[in-house]
Amino acid sequence: QSALTQPASVSGSPGQSITISCTGSSSDVGAYNYVSWYQQHPGKAPKLMIYEVSHRPSGVSNRFSGSKSGNTASLTISGLQAEDEGDYYCSSYTGSSRLIYVFGTGTKVSVL
Amino acid sequence: EVQLLESGGGLVQPGGSLRLSCAASGFTLNTYAMSWVRQAPGKGLEWVSGIGGISDDTYYADSVKGRFTISRDNSKNTLYVQMNSLRVEDTAVYYCARRSVAGRYFDYWGQGALVTVSS
Repeated sequence: QSALTQPASVSGSPGQSITISCTGSSSDVGAYNYVSWYQQHPGKAPKLMIYEVSHRPSGVSNRFSGSKSGNTASLTISGLQAEDEGDYYCSSYTGSSRLIYVFGTGTKVSVL
Repeated sequence: EVQLLESGGGLVQPGGSLRLSCAASGFTLNTYAMSWVRQAPGKGLEWVSGIGGISDDTYYADSVKGRFTISRDNSKNTLYVQMNSLRVEDTAVYYCARRSVAGRYFDYWGQGALVTVSS
């Protein structure tokens, strides 16, 4: 099972909206509503931003939203801010005991 | 406050062994499913191994099956991964991560432990 496919980089100006795609297959993203998104700043641990496709944990800004269509999930950041710079990873549950969770290839978000 | 603190990382030669620990606080470890997730230098995240919550079922990625063993000591509220027959490609920061009781996602992560496999 391969890693989920994400664009290597996405950039935007402050205040703009950007969307990061996450493409999997009918065995992972398309099969379950267990897509989550993680933000990672350099040298830091990942932080949960979205779970179960579109739910935000307490404390995460409502500028972050998630969705899914078929085998592709998306993370949208609206009102882009400098603090949003970092790497973003999607993840999906797979139901396979050999690889319970598969992560995306990662997307570097830059605020211009 | 939930905290996960990894330790035990370091430099090891190919073929060697290392055991990582993840001390949990703020919750009872054996009521949550836990995983180890690694990140090679400059690379993405890779799920490596998991252990059930109430059950002690264990799961491994093909890349480490037969070489890594996940376990926990409930009396110490600590998660472990024993890594044997280490390879250069196992070089990574290893994170322990707690799976949310409510769903299949990781709600808390440790700060990571660096494992370097090199001669």
